[in-house]
Amino acid sequence: GAVVSQHPSWVICKSGTSVKIECRSLDFQATTMFWYRQFPKQSLMLMATSNEGSKATYEQGVEKDKFLINHASLTLSTLTVTSAHPEDSSFYICSASPGQQIAPLHFGNGTRLTVT
Amino acid sequence: SQQGEEDPQALSIQEGENATMNCSYKTSINNLQWYRQNSGRGLVHLILIRSNEREKHSGRLRVTLDTSKKSSSLLITASRAADTASYFCATALRYNKLIFGAGTRLAVHP
Repeated sequence: GAVVSQHPSWVICKSGTSVKIECRSLDFQATTMFWYRQFPKQSLMLMATSNEGSKATYEQGVEKDKFLINHASLTLSTLTVTSAHPEDSSFYICSASPGQQIAPLHFGNGTRLTVT
Repeated sequence: SQQGEEDPQALSIQEGENATMNCSYKTSINNLQWYRQNSGRGLVHLILIRSNEREKHSGRLRVTLDTSKKSSSLLITASRAADTASYFCATALRYNKLIFGAGTRLAVHP
């Protein structure tokens, strides 16, 4: 089955530093990837839609200058949390879609970010 | 933004019992999907039901969809301890942009 790999699975960083999270589709080309954020015991909140070769589309309330998304190839999207603060601590999950037809999404295993 | 609510928020049952989770949504949909999430992990797709379908089965899973009430239910029959997880419904407005419900935390006790 389709596999999405997310790296790192967890990261601890200091306030003010930046952290990059990678999301790779291993066995299919993903024209679209989605980034979600999840707080403990809560649902997934869509942050942005990442389209290969174009700018990401951010959901309302998500700071695009803080959460930089790059989708430079059909198999890789990155989310960079810039100037991280403790309130950015969360579980970040990516998902990928091979195209624009309606189909189940394939999710990475998530990245636990802790900002101290 | 979240699409809707799930009910119950938490469910605790014994092995062998059935588990029913409900999901409500707010807008028109193309399809509704159910996902499972083990603690601290990504999501795994369970089943997709299109807006013109009313019921769908997959193994021990049964999903219903009532578009007039904007609601769906997920039934897990003969539950097992390994079914312990959080279950989320998600609606697709267009393409594959999914909006998730609040989720139900299911605990199945041996």
